[in-house]
Amino acid sequence: SQKIEQNSEALNIQEGKTATLTCNYTNYSPAYLQWYRQDPGRGPVFLLLIRENEKEKRKERLKVTFDTTLKQSLFHITASQPADSATYLCALGTNSGYALNFGKGTSLLVTP
Amino acid sequence: DVKVTQSSRYLVKRTGEKVFLECVQDMDHENMFWYRQDPGLGLRLIYFSYDVKMKEKGDIPEGYSVSREKKERFSLILESASTNQTSMYLCASSFNREETQYFGPGTRLLVL
Repeated sequence: SQKIEQNSEALNIQEGKTATLTCNYTNYSPAYLQWYRQDPGRGPVFLLLIRENEKEKRKERLKVTFDTTLKQSLFHITASQPADSATYLCALGTNSGYALNFGKGTSLLVTP
Repeated sequence: DVKVTQSSRYLVKRTGEKVFLECVQDMDHENMFWYRQDPGLGLRLIYFSYDVKMKEKGDIPEGYSVSREKKERFSLILESASTNQTSMYLCASSFNREETQYFGPGTRLLVL
């Protein structure tokens, strides 16, 4: 069966360090992968998209990698700040439709 | 900026009531989606629509129906609300041929 797995345990890191979140998938052939941020009681907000033929994407302090052999994406936040504390969701999409399949998310807590 | 609005932030209904959740987007997006989000289960797609009057079932359509009479508006209908439909409901929209989804703030529905 298809699965998208993100660390269910919260990730606690100190301000200034790099946070690394993992998204693993099985029985999918995604054309692209997206990362969203969700704050409590709010809808997800799009952060980054990476396509299957791309290895890495960057946006300011954010970096995403995509390894289709390992079936894994890593999401990095460098120089993390308390304001980065949120739940981060990965989502997979295919070329055959516009619906996304979401992971359950990983909660990140950045402490001063 | 894209804006997706949902008719209510919080809603309390009784078992057996008919419930309407409305979603409106202001960016002329072709695609609209309804998800529910539950702790430990993540975001699950209920229905989506890629055009006016068109709809497709998502992963968990049972107990729900949808209506899209105008491009900007997508309604989710619970024909006879049940307690297991207590959840956070999120609406999203996207352009055709663009993969990013824009989410509304969510409606937290409690069915008593």
